[in-house]
Amino acid sequence: DSGVTQTPKHLITATGQRVTLRCSPRSGDLSVYWYQQSLDQGLQFLIQYYNGEERAKGNILERFSAQQFPDLHSELNLSSLELGDSALYFCASSVGKDFNYGYTFGSGTRLTVV
Amino acid sequence: AQTVTQSQPEMSVQEAETVTLSCTYDTSESNYYLFWYKQPPSRQMILVIRQEAYKQQNATENRFSVNFQKAAKSFSLKISDSQLGDTAMYFCAFMNGGSQGNLIFGKGTKLSVKP
Repeated sequence: DSGVTQTPKHLITATGQRVTLRCSPRSGDLSVYWYQQSLDQGLQFLIQYYNGEERAKGNILERFSAQQFPDLHSELNLSSLELGDSALYFCASSVGKDFNYGYTFGSGTRLTVV
Repeated sequence: AQTVTQSQPEMSVQEAETVTLSCTYDTSESNYYLFWYKQPPSRQMILVIRQEAYKQQNATENRFSVNFQKAAKSFSLKISDSQLGDTAMYFCAFMNGGSQGNLIFGKGTKLSVKP
């Protein structure tokens, strides 16, 4: 157990729907990162939050949004889902804003859009 | 923009032997960090080893070591005494020292350790 908790582990939904993925960071970690892993695009950085504020944005679609709550857990919201959004979504956490020791990943949420 | 290239989509090695996974990267930055992550069938992303660009000494973690060639922008991973549990996808990743901390990953190398 890495200490980063992601729920649910698996999610199957239909095109056009909206889902919410949840991440609880490791105790004491202030930064949360979201990554998408798909067969064609590989692992891509989506967004980072630090202590409740958005700190960096990567290749995140406008249909996707995220937030980090006062208790530091984070949610990634995916709306108007398309077949191409099927992927493994990882959350990771680190202590600082730009922790270069490499951060800790959760076990991911497997999203399947049908 | 920084890029990371892993030219070996798949590799295999016999148990107890040594294997080297290749990674090259492209950057104009001087301050950065390089990582190897392992993703076994369980899907968990596990940090294997980390290298700071300003350190000339190659990082080592038990059976895992790197060959960091800064001028050539090469960062290969050597696994000694390969074990069945080393079977996994291996990802090379780059982090700009001046960035907010996001990783740029290569496409990965699938390593199979055969008994």
